[in-house]
Amino acid sequence: DIQMTQSPSTLSASVGDRVTLTCRASQTISNWLAWYQQKPGKAPKLLIYKASNLESGVPARFSGSGSGTDFTLTISSLQPDDFATYYCQHYYSYPWTFGQGTTVEVK
Amino acid sequence: QVQLQESGPGLVKPSQTLSLTCTVSGGSIISGSYYWSWVRQHPGKGPEWIGHIYYSGITYQNPSLKSRLTITVDTSKNQFSLKLTSVTAADTAVYYCARLPVGAYPIDFWGQGTLVTVSS
Repeated sequence: DIQMTQSPSTLSASVGDRVTLTCRASQTISNWLAWYQQKPGKAPKLLIYKASNLESGVPARFSGSGSGTDFTLTISSLQPDDFATYYCQHYYSYPWTFGQGTTVEVK
Repeated sequence: QVQLQESGPGLVKPSQTLSLTCTVSGGSIISGSYYWSWVRQHPGKGPEWIGHIYYSGITYQNPSLKSRLTITVDTSKNQFSLKLTSVTAADTAVYYCARLPVGAYPIDFWGQGTLVTVSS
């Protein structure tokens, strides 16, 4: 199975900050990577697909980049609604796997 | 607007079978545009992909669960289901049903999830 490793596990930030989350795959996954946002007690919400494509309805302050094994999710100006946990997930081959998550918390 | 709703027992005894159903509303399960997925999430952990099924019955399943797992679809009821046999406490999780667009896309929409606890 392809392992997805996210860093950091927790990120403390303030409203207006630019934040960057990292996801690394244990082998190349081309650009078959998605990012999800999850809030407590809620289902994950798709933000980014194919590494850098913004899902419809997702604010433009979210962006994704990377290919191969290293990927990033950037929030250009953190908003109050963005404090949540973010997961990366590959869909390059079966079984699909998710990272362990990065929690963005209030500094 | 599509809605996905999981249903089934919230408590299952060890060694028994976990059975969940997802009812799709606001769209047809036989549209051909989607696979229908199951994902679970253990408390405090990242999600775990379980598998998905096409309306024709074609399935893709996580090998780690495959020997215990059955995913089926009932097009007449616009539902799909999951059965997991011989459950243990390690199967305690929130179980989500979800929608997966056909083609090279990830899951794009999730149900609200249902907590299943395995305990005697």
